[in-house]
Formats: sequence, C-alpha cells, structure tokens
Amino acid sequence: KAGVTQTPRYLIKTRGQQVTLSCSPISGHRSVSWYQQTPGQGLQFLFEYFSETQRNKGNFPGRFSGRQFSNSRSEMNVSTLELGDSALYLCASSFGGSGRPTGELFFGEGSRLTVL
Amino acid sequence: GESVGLHLPTLSVQEGDNSIINCAYSNSASDYFIWYKQESGKGPQFIIDIRSNMDKRQGQRVTVLLNKTVKHLSLQIAATQPGDSAVYFCAEIEEYGNKLVFGAGTILRVKS
Repeated sequence: KAGVTQTPRYLIKTRGQQVTLSCSPISGHRSVSWYQQTPGQGLQFLFEYFSETQRNKGNFPGRFSGRQFSNSRSEMNVSTLELGDSALYLCASSFGGSGRPTGELFFGEGSRLTVL
Repeated sequence: GESVGLHLPTLSVQEGDNSIINCAYSNSASDYFIWYKQESGKGPQFIIDIRSNMDKRQGQRVTVLLNKTVKHLSLQIAATQPGDSAVYFCAEIEEYGNKLVFGAGTILRVKS
C-alpha cells in the first residue's frame, strides 16, 4: 500500500511570493493534518482536514491556509512568504472519523521550503 | 506547542544496551500520549501509544510508561540497535481530532 505522498519535495521561493504544497494520503484515509517543522520551534500543528472540512486549526497566521478535496487529497498554501516560513512541511494522514482520536498518524517525507 | 532550542538533548548508548527516553508534558487534561521516531530525511513514524487510564504499555522491544502524578512519559527501548538511531518525540492529543502537540525531541545515538 502506497504511503503518504508530498509534492514538491524541495522548493525555493523569495519573500512575498506564495506557495502551494500538495499531499496525497494513504488510500482510505480521510483525515489529513499538516505540521511545520523547524529547528527552533520543532513540530507544530497547522491544521487538520476531515471529509473536506477543517476540523482543527493551530496558532498560525491567516497567511497559512489549506483545503481538502473529495478524494481526500489536500493542499496547503502560504501567501506573502516570509523568511521565517522556511521549514519542512509535513503532511500526515489517518482514518480519522468520530469517536476517540487515534494518534497513529502516517507522515509523508515532507516538503522542504526555503524562503530567500 | 512547546518552544524548543536549536540543540536537542542527546542520549548515546552502546549497541545492545537498553535506552530510556524521557518526556514531560504540560497539559494535565491530555488523555492520550504517543511516541514517534524520526530518522534523518524522513517523516515521523508512530512507535507506540498509551491512554491515561494505563500506566504501562509494551510493544515489540519498546515499553511506554506514564506517570500522571508528575506528568511524565518515558520510552524504554530494549537491546538498542543501530537502526534505532533517530530523533524521538513524545506527543499528546490536546483535543478531539488529530491535533498532536509534540515535545522537543531527543536524539538517540547508538554506538556500535
């Protein structure tokens, strides 16, 4: 079974630009979460989508947004890029659903964004 | 999430020894805790989880201990192998859904 696929794996942008990152979850998984990983702040939750609806949101500015499509694929967008947005952006999928949460997320290898 | 410094704590162990990685969590209302392993160039990988109604759970070569009184979590790895070298993160579920709050991480280095 294919794992979580993130594209692109590496990208370089300049300040003020915008970027869109894509995530294809494991087949059958309906929950997709996004995390930002930096040496200074570690792993921080951005948002989670389930069945095309944002279910949870982290403490990031409105420049960070996301969406989920009917096939569970997800994209995240960062507008007006700042130097501090340089990070590894990780997508994770799980079955999701109602009831008690499962912490067993399946992570992709990430998209490494460098902002110059 | 927690603010962390650039330098993660490092645990160096000899191959074949047991490893113990510790984690302190902050939210006493959390009822679900997870350990993840992240190898260089890869995303985090689930290791084991434990709910707050338990104080110990065992997996294959790993054991997680939970002490709710002092809000402490530990991961024990038996007979540590070179392939165990990675960064280990504890995480807690803060609310409904899959919003994980990760700890700072600990680097485990296994010496052959």
